[in-house]
Amino acid sequence: DAGVIQSPRHEVTEMGQEVTLRCKPISGHNSLFWYRQTMMRGLELLIYFNNNVPIDDSGMPEDRFSAKMPNASFSTLKIQPSEPRDSAVYFCASSYYPDTQYFGPGTRLTVL
Amino acid sequence: GQQLNQSPQSMFIQEGEDVSMNCTSSSIFNTWLWYKQEPGEGPVLLIALYKAGELTSNGRLTAQFGITRKDSFLNISASIPSDVGIYFCAGQVTSGTYKYIFGTGTRLKVLA
Repeated sequence: DAGVIQSPRHEVTEMGQEVTLRCKPISGHNSLFWYRQTMMRGLELLIYFNNNVPIDDSGMPEDRFSAKMPNASFSTLKIQPSEPRDSAVYFCASSYYPDTQYFGPGTRLTVL
Repeated sequence: GQQLNQSPQSMFIQEGEDVSMNCTSSSIFNTWLWYKQEPGEGPVLLIALYKAGELTSNGRLTAQFGITRKDSFLNISASIPSDVGIYFCAGQVTSGTYKYIFGTGTRLKVLA
């Protein structure tokens, strides 16, 4: 079975540009999570979906961030416009049960 | 807000030694998880703990859910070079939800 798939693995962009990160969860999982990892703040939950519906987006830093899950096999995290402080590794994870989240390999975002 | 403090922040040990790390909080958690993250990858679940006082093993790893529900520890026996990585604890914010708060991490290096 394929694990969680994220693309791109690395993204370098300039301040002000739109960035879209993509995630394909494990087939059969009903929950999807977006996390951000930085040295300063560690691993933070941004938003999670259950059955394609956003349940908790209290971790989304500001309106520049948005996430969608149009179907059970695909989700996007968009940053528009991007800023240097958004540079981080963004992880997608999926699960069927609350205590067994499977993480993808992450997207390393650098905003210049 | 709720925070999880892990200690030590980092440790260098000799191959074959036992390792102990812990996670503390001022808040009560319902479930504790322990993850390991290797460079360039997402965290991988090692052990899940569900009840105060519970002691659970996974091979050379043993973790315990503190009696007060505010702490947890992870022990690794007879460390080997592939134990290198960052170990994170995570606490479930509310029972039955999918929202977890992650600790600050313990970086482990094993000297052969």
